[in-house]
Amino acid sequence: KQEVTQIPAALSVPEGENLVLNCSFTDSAIYNLQWFRQDPGKGLTSLLLIQSSQREQTSGRLNASLDKSSGRSTLYIAASQPGDSATYLCAASRGTASKLTFGTGTRLQVTL
Amino acid sequence: DVKVTQSSRYLVKRTGEKVFLECVQDMDHENMFWYRQDPGLGLRLIYFSYDVKMKEKGDIPEGYSVSREKKERFSLILESASTNQTSMYLCASSHRRSGQNIQYFGAGTRLSVL
Repeated sequence: KQEVTQIPAALSVPEGENLVLNCSFTDSAIYNLQWFRQDPGKGLTSLLLIQSSQREQTSGRLNASLDKSSGRSTLYIAASQPGDSATYLCAASRGTASKLTFGTGTRLQVTL
Repeated sequence: DVKVTQSSRYLVKRTGEKVFLECVQDMDHENMFWYRQDPGLGLRLIYFSYDVKMKEKGDIPEGYSVSREKKERFSLILESASTNQTSMYLCASSHRRSGQNIQYFGAGTRLSVL
């Protein structure tokens, strides 16, 4: 059974810092790994999807990497801004490409 | 832009009531999902549908049923609501093709069962 873990559960950084969020998964037989953002009381917004054959994906200030052999993914946020404050969740596909197992998220606060 | 719309943002129901949560997507996605999200437990999959009239149980289907009569609409039904079903419910949709199955989420329905 796939298990996804995100550490730390919460993180506070000053504006402008580069930061890394971690995600680990127990079953390396994944189709893809997705990173999402969730603002308080809202739904999830997809940030990046990495296929199992890929090593990384980039979108603006975000870069996600995937290392299937070690069961790890990281989300790198460059030059953090207060607007980046949110909860970030990773999710690994399981069984088929469609179903996801979610981590419990990292709550990020970027302070002025 | 993909839009996934959940019919209610907040609902308050009484124990034993039958509750319907509705979800509509406008991108012709084959897959639709219902999750619940609870503090410390994360998102857990309740039910999944990969086509009209098709459904598959997720991790926590007990106490729930679903209906998918049209491709764009996926309904979650609580047959007899109980207090332990108080939660945030999230609907999502995606294409079936493995290279394009980003999940798009609705804004969520916060359900309180009294």
